[in-house]
Amino acid sequence: DAKTTQPPSMDCAEGRAANLPCNHSTISGNEYVYWYRQIHSQGPQYIIHGLKNNETNEMASLIITEDRKSSTLILPHATLRDTAVYYCIVRVPIQGAQKLVFGQGTRLTINP
Amino acid sequence: KAGVTQTPRYLIKTRGQQVTLSCSPISGHRSVSWYQQTPGQGLQFLFEYFSETQRNKGNFPGRFSGRQFSNSRSEMNVSTLELGDSALYLCASSFATSGIYNEQFFGPGTRLTVL
Repeated sequence: DAKTTQPPSMDCAEGRAANLPCNHSTISGNEYVYWYRQIHSQGPQYIIHGLKNNETNEMASLIITEDRKSSTLILPHATLRDTAVYYCIVRVPIQGAQKLVFGQGTRLTINP
Repeated sequence: KAGVTQTPRYLIKTRGQQVTLSCSPISGHRSVSWYQQTPGQGLQFLFEYFSETQRNKGNFPGRFSGRQFSNSRSEMNVSTLELGDSALYLCASSFATSGIYNEQFFGPGTRLTVL
């Protein structure tokens, strides 16, 4: 699985959009970009994933650059409950091979 | 639908003892993975079971083992506990029939303290 690079920490004001970057310059053509987050003392929570097109769901949007070497997770209207560590992971979604390689992630703090 | 459940939630053991942790996946999920989380090493993959077979294994010593039952419930065992085994142990389950949409759902974890 390709390695990812994320800033160790970020701050965002409540109600504003939080934009979390992730570099994955060695990503291969069949690897997807996944985002998970971990709120303090809880298990990680799946947020969104994508291959090359931008994706949106009820939680967030994922913007992947055309060369696929980086991506941005967007939380459109951040709330205090979005304070968490966010992990960007790239992997090939092979059936029955569910290993996730977590980096250090980005600690996002939403400020009132 | 009930989420992933892990028991016990908290556990205190002493060095040299062994421990068994349990994980019940979401109903219908056939894949169960285990992770260890420590402040120093972060989240690390232990192993994955699918239809009672270990499909993948992380870089952990043989003291760490697991199994999966026919109802997809899984247990992991750590023998001869060491102080460094103190960690949050997380279980994750997934449907694992569609490669792209098989996101993993994590349980709340079992916090193991070794004294």
